[in-house]
Amino acid sequence: KAGVTQTPRYLIKTRGQQVTLSCSPISGHRSVSWYQQTPGQGLQFLFEYFSETQRNKGNFPGRFSGRQFSNSRSEMNVSTLELGDSALYLCASSLDDMNTEAFFGQGTRLTVV
Amino acid sequence: AQKVTQAQTEISVVEKEDVTLDCVYETRDTTYYLFWYKQPPSGELVFLIRRNSFDEQNEISGRYSWNFQKSTSSFNFTITASQVVDSAVYFCALMSNNAGNMLTFGGGTRLMVKP
Repeated sequence: KAGVTQTPRYLIKTRGQQVTLSCSPISGHRSVSWYQQTPGQGLQFLFEYFSETQRNKGNFPGRFSGRQFSNSRSEMNVSTLELGDSALYLCASSLDDMNTEAFFGQGTRLTVV
Repeated sequence: AQKVTQAQTEISVVEKEDVTLDCVYETRDTTYYLFWYKQPPSGELVFLIRRNSFDEQNEISGRYSWNFQKSTSSFNFTITASQVVDSAVYFCALMSNNAGNMLTFGGGTRLMVKP
């Protein structure tokens, strides 16, 4: 059974640009969550999607958005990139939305220059 | 508000030593879930264990064991006879019963096991 796949693995962008990250969950999993990991703030929850609907949202500005498709694949978008957006973005896949364990991908490392 | 504290930012041990990673949590929920994840240098978080708030039984899985004490709001993780491959960052996390699958993570403990 394939794990969680995130693409791309590495990305370098310039301030002011926008970026889209992709996540394919484990087959059969319907919940996808996104986390940002930085040395200063640690692991922080961005948002969760279940059945194409955003279930929860963390404390991030509106520049961070996401969506989920009917096949459960998810994308997150960051517009008007800032230097502080440089981070490892991790996607987590869960079977459903009932407090089940999350399985993580290897992440996308975004560097904003 | 929920909070998870891992007071030990870094631990260094010699191979074959036992090591305990501490985790203390805060929540107002009566039903909640606790997790431990391992993050090797490759970056992905590897799921280790999930425990619900009504199950205070300790759990052992090979060299790993977990001690959940509701009275002290702690969920500690012990590695017996540590190995170099155990070197990683370990995260404790909390999930509320009424917030979907949202995890609140502690700051992590970097474990270095030296040969």
